Amino acid sequence: AQKITQTQPGMFVQEKEAVTLDCTYDTSDQSYGLFWYKQPSSGEMIFLIYQGSYDEQNATEGRYSLNFQKARKSANLVISASQLGDSAMYFCAMREGAGNQFYFGTGTSLTVIP
Amino acid sequence: NAGVTQTPKFQVLKTGQSMTLQCAQDMNHNSMYWYRQDPGMGLRLIYYSASEGTTDKGEVPNGYNVSRLNKREFSLRLESAAPSQTSVYFCASSEGSTGNTIYFGEGSWLTVV
Repeated sequence: AQKITQTQPGMFVQEKEAVTLDCTYDTSDQSYGLFWYKQPSSGEMIFLIYQGSYDEQNATEGRYSLNFQKARKSANLVISASQLGDSAMYFCAMREGAGNQFYFGTGTSLTVIP
Repeated sequence: NAGVTQTPKFQVLKTGQSMTLQCAQDMNHNSMYWYRQDPGMGLRLIYYSASEGTTDKGEVPNGYNVSRLNKREFSLRLESAAPSQTSVYFCASSEGSTGNTIYFGEGSWLTVV
């Protein structure tokens, strides 16, 4: 089974609107971390936001927030007030327990329309 | 402010040639990783090293070897390149606990013809 599933290969959003990128995960560990990364067309991977499995509140970083629903094993990224510079690939990732491996989803390509 | 540095950035190989991708990090991280990225496949782990002196296979290790030369450096070798190894390769590093993010190099674009 896939550890991380991103079901939206591509998404479009109007500039200044909010958008939600979906991510579900699969683990039997109680302790794990969930991450989102942005990859612009230039290719570098940029860390956006982190949510720990024991965190009771949803993580927020500026215009990014992580909608964490533990029972549903989902960790959706919400980008508010989209900007043209948000056009990029977005990857969800998980790190289990004290393990060293990071598991990545297949990514969602976001296009912001002016 | 270097972070994770990998070389070369671009390389074209002929089928059957060998090459080594070099990676170094200056953040004193214990864990280092090599991923490949292919369209529609996301990032797939080739090998990782939890600490100096140890290496483990990831999801797609066939056709690759790695060396954790010291705490800073982790190299990836293609012994006999195949067209299926045409990809973008990312080296990365991280500290050991669940809450620590992974830091990536800028990527190496490899084409095997």
